[in-house]
Amino acid sequence: NAGVTQTPKFQVLKTGQSMTLQCAQDMNHEYMSWYRQDPGMGLRLIHYSVGAGITDQGEVPNGYNVSRSTTEDFPLRLLSAAPSQTSVYFCASSYSKETGELFFGEGSRLTVL
Amino acid sequence: AQSVSQHNHHVILSEAASLELGCNYSYGGTVNLFWYVQYPGQHLQLLLKYFSGDPLVKGIKGFEAEFIKSKFSFNLRKPSVQWSDTAEYFCAVGLRNTPLVFGKGTRLSVIA
Repeated sequence: NAGVTQTPKFQVLKTGQSMTLQCAQDMNHEYMSWYRQDPGMGLRLIHYSVGAGITDQGEVPNGYNVSRSTTEDFPLRLLSAAPSQTSVYFCASSYSKETGELFFGEGSRLTVL
Repeated sequence: AQSVSQHNHHVILSEAASLELGCNYSYGGTVNLFWYVQYPGQHLQLLLKYFSGDPLVKGIKGFEAEFIKSKFSFNLRKPSVQWSDTAEYFCAVGLRNTPLVFGKGTRLSVIA
């Protein structure tokens, strides 16, 4: 049972570099989302998607892009990394945006120097 | 905008002590309520949830939560904590047609 798979688990970037965090789920969930977790800030929603081809912004979308070409995959792109994007990133999926249990990936720890 | 407040940032308890973690939300309409737990070094997982019906909800590992509509609260309780309950606990609220909103979390440390 794979569930939600995130890669990479750890990444160090220099300011200005770009990268993509990958997220894949095998539960046929329509809803997928990206959160960042920072000490004392809890989880903050970056972007979410309610199905293939549909994405929307969350609470902290600036500096991040997403796309949803398939039900399974929801990559998060950092176009020009900044130190403020140092965080732990979690991908989560559910059958419903507001009522379904969220299944989380293991997290990706990103450090931007 | 709706918000979720967890008033306790860090709670330290001895083993066998009782636990109550507060959660309040600011939205007055119909809500779906969740508690998630994050054990050290792990991802979040669902502890319990409330959609409707009996306001006292039982979850895994002996946890329960009570929905009090008049107080906009959904407090988490456990009669007797164990060292293995050391974790961070997040309350989350689901509103009609919007993604879940999480509180900032409460870190629980259980000492022997």
